[in-house]
Amino acid sequence: DSGVTQTPKHLITATGQRVTLRCSPRSGDLSVYWYQQSLDQGLQFLIQYYNGEERAKGNILERFSAQQFPDLHSELNLSSLELGDSALYFCASSVEGQGGNIQYFGAGTRLSVL
Amino acid sequence: EDQVTQSPEALRLQEGESSSLNCSYTVSGLRGLFWYRQDPGKGPEFLFTLYSAGEEKEKERLKATLTKKESFLHITAPKPEDSATYLCAVHPFSGGYNKLIFGAGTRLAVHP
Repeated sequence: DSGVTQTPKHLITATGQRVTLRCSPRSGDLSVYWYQQSLDQGLQFLIQYYNGEERAKGNILERFSAQQFPDLHSELNLSSLELGDSALYFCASSVEGQGGNIQYFGAGTRLSVL
Repeated sequence: EDQVTQSPEALRLQEGESSSLNCSYTVSGLRGLFWYRQDPGKGPEFLFTLYSAGEEKEKERLKATLTKKESFLHITAPKPEDSATYLCAVHPFSGGYNKLIFGAGTRLAVHP
């Protein structure tokens, strides 16, 4: 158990809908990262938050947004969903936002868009 | 452009048959290289971090090494429970705080 908690484990929804994925980091970790993993793309970095502030952005679509709350949990919002958004979404956390810090991953949320 | 390439894509071993997985990287500068293990439908599990060429880390049947251009994950006398996808990731100096770039992974199957 990495200590990173993601809910829900599975989500099934329809195209055009909006969903929210939730992540609770390990106790004491200030940084949260979101990744998308699909069969043809591998693990792709989406976005990082550190202590409530956005720190780095990757290949995150404009339809996707995220935030980190004062209690350090984070939410990833996916809107106007398309079939291609079906994937595993992982959250990871680390102690700091600095280089070389180990990122610990949650079990993921499997999103199926029908 | 920062890039990570893992080979082979898939590897089938007999129990006890040692082998190595390769991770080649091209980055502007390396803050750290990470190895993770991922079981089907689960999140990546951290194995090792390497920071400088010549560094080695060991854990049970696994040993990770690092050079200036690549890293190897050596598996000695593997067991069926070592079957998983092994992911390599780099944290380059460019690209923002702690952004990891992952390779596509090597799917390892160890048969009894």
